[in-house]
Amino acid sequence: KAGVTQTPRYLIKTRGQQVTLSCSPISGHRSVSWYQQTPGQGLQFLFEYFSETQRNKGNFPGRFSGRQFSNSRSEMNVSTLELGDSALYLCASSQQGYTGELFFGEGSRLTVL
Amino acid sequence: GEDVEQSLFLSVREGDSSVINCTYTDSSSTYLYWYKQEPGAGLQLLTYIFSNMDMKQDQRLTVLLNKKDKHLSLRIADTQTGDSAIYFCAESNDNAGNMLTFGGGTRLMVKP
Repeated sequence: KAGVTQTPRYLIKTRGQQVTLSCSPISGHRSVSWYQQTPGQGLQFLFEYFSETQRNKGNFPGRFSGRQFSNSRSEMNVSTLELGDSALYLCASSQQGYTGELFFGEGSRLTVL
Repeated sequence: GEDVEQSLFLSVREGDSSVINCTYTDSSSTYLYWYKQEPGAGLQLLTYIFSNMDMKQDQRLTVLLNKKDKHLSLRIADTQTGDSAIYFCAESNDNAGNMLTFGGGTRLMVKP
């Protein structure tokens, strides 16, 4: 069974640009969560989608948004990039319900210059 | 808000036991987790424990939970060099579901 796939793995953007990151969950998994990992703030929850609906949202500004498609694939978008958005963005999928048994992808490393 | 704290660093010799500690503040925590992150990789779930349990053992891993003190520990028996990684403690509750609150991570270094 293929794991969680995130694309792109690495990308460099400049301030003010926007970026879209993609996540393909494990087949059969309906929940997709996104986390931001930085050296200063650690791992912080961004949002979770389940069956195309946002189920939970973390404490991030509205520049951060996401969506989930009918095939459970998810995208997150960050608009008007700031230097502080440089981070590893991790996607995690879960089979069902609320268990916290998350399967993480390898992440998309975003550098904002 | 909820907070999860871990010590930053732990160094042990190969073959010794490692004990990684974690404290949390949310008294409504229902699930507590240990995740492992190796360099350049995402997080891997090692084990988890429900808040109504005191202990869980899974091969070389033993999780102890002191709910009164809100203290969680992960013991790795016979630690190997391949166990070198960052270990994250995390918690969630029935309301938060898959929205986990993570600790800052403990970097475990295993010396041969």
